[in-house]
Amino acid sequence: AQSVTQLGSHVSVSEGALVLLRCNYSSSVPPYLFWYVQYPNQGLQLLLKYTSAATLVKGINGFEAEFKKSETSFHLTKPSAHMSDAAEYFCAVRYDKVIFGPGTSLSVIP
Amino acid sequence: DGGITQSPKYLFRKEGQNVTLSCEQNLNHDAMYWYRQDPGQGLRLIYYSQIVNDFQKGDIAEGYSVSREKKESFPLTVTSAQKNPTAFYLCASSLSTVNTEAFFGQGTRLTVV
Repeated sequence: AQSVTQLGSHVSVSEGALVLLRCNYSSSVPPYLFWYVQYPNQGLQLLLKYTSAATLVKGINGFEAEFKKSETSFHLTKPSAHMSDAAEYFCAVRYDKVIFGPGTSLSVIP
Repeated sequence: DGGITQSPKYLFRKEGQNVTLSCEQNLNHDAMYWYRQDPGQGLRLIYYSQIVNDFQKGDIAEGYSVSREKKESFPLTVTSAQKNPTAFYLCASSLSTVNTEAFFGQGTRLTVV
């Protein structure tokens, strides 16, 4: 069965530091991959998506992710964290249905 | 504006009662989904529908039921058989093609009292 794992349920970074959120998927067939962000008591908002056009994908709010087939990974990065980046982040994969990872809660320390 | 509307935002239910959560979309999407979110467990798929009058069970369908009589609507009923219904419920929709993302509603927080 397809699955998505996110290493680290909680990540803390200092304001201005690099953000790295990890995502790995389990499939020999490259899927379609997505990163979503969720603020408290709200729905999910799409940050970016990989659809095989380019391995480095740029999204909103300065985030980007790189698809690495050899590592079955799709890690999310941002060069400089901002206080407003504090939220829950979900990696997702789509085949016939959308499957989400368990999420990573990002805290930004002033 | 196009989007997905979930209602109500907050819902309280007495034990033993069925309750229906509404989800409407005007994006002309074929596929619709219901997820349950609990703290520390991410999103778990309850039911999904890829076309009108058809739907499939997700990972945690027990105690839930759905219908898809119209393309725009995908209501979820939480029945009395659901042992632990208190949770945040999210509805989503997407085009049927696999390289497209899901769009989410704002969620309904259900509390059993």
